[in-house]
Amino acid sequence: DTGVSQDPRHKITKRGQNVTFRCDPISEHNRLYWYRQTLGQGPEFLTYFQNEAQLEKSRLLSDRFSAERPKGSFSTLEIQRTEQGDSAMYLCASSFSGLAGGTGELFFGEGSRLTVL
Amino acid sequence: AQSVTQLGSHVSVSEGALVLLRCNYSSSVPPYLFWYVQYPNQGLQLLLKYTSAATLVKGINGFEAEFKKSETSFHLTKPSAHMSDAAEYFCAVGGANSKLTFGKGITLSVRP
Repeated sequence: DTGVSQDPRHKITKRGQNVTFRCDPISEHNRLYWYRQTLGQGPEFLTYFQNEAQLEKSRLLSDRFSAERPKGSFSTLEIQRTEQGDSAMYLCASSFSGLAGGTGELFFGEGSRLTVL
Repeated sequence: AQSVTQLGSHVSVSEGALVLLRCNYSSSVPPYLFWYVQYPNQGLQLLLKYTSAATLVKGINGFEAEFKKSETSFHLTKPSAHMSDAAEYFCAVGGANSKLTFGKGITLSVRP
């Protein structure tokens, strides 16, 4: 049984560089979420997909951030021209929602920690 | 809009003592409510969830929570703390699209 996997687990980059994170959800899950967590805070919603469609984006997601889920399976989150304020843990989660809806439970990966120098 | 309030950022208990972590929510629709636990440098693990069935919900590792609509609360309890319970705990409220809104979290310390 494989859970949600994220890669890389840690990324250190210099300000102004681009970074990309990958998330592989649980295989039968049709919904995929990205959250950001800074030190001492709870996870903050960034965006979510149902299959390959990106259905909602938070106002936290500036133009420098882009997320894709091209075939409704894995997803990537790219941050362009990174800033020190982007330093955070980026969490991916997945869930299943059918015609009857779901219980709303999200299954989280272990996160990708970004440090921008 | 939905929101969660977790009062206080840190709770310290002795091993064997009662654990009580408070959570109050705001929701315009009947909520789904969750408690997650996070160990250092790890993702979040579900402890328990309330989905409009029984108001007293039992979770993993001996934790339970009671949904009280009149108080808009969903406090987490455990009768006897263990050293391995030391972690950060997050309360969350869910909506129709399963998007969860989290509280700021509470760090639980357990003294020997």
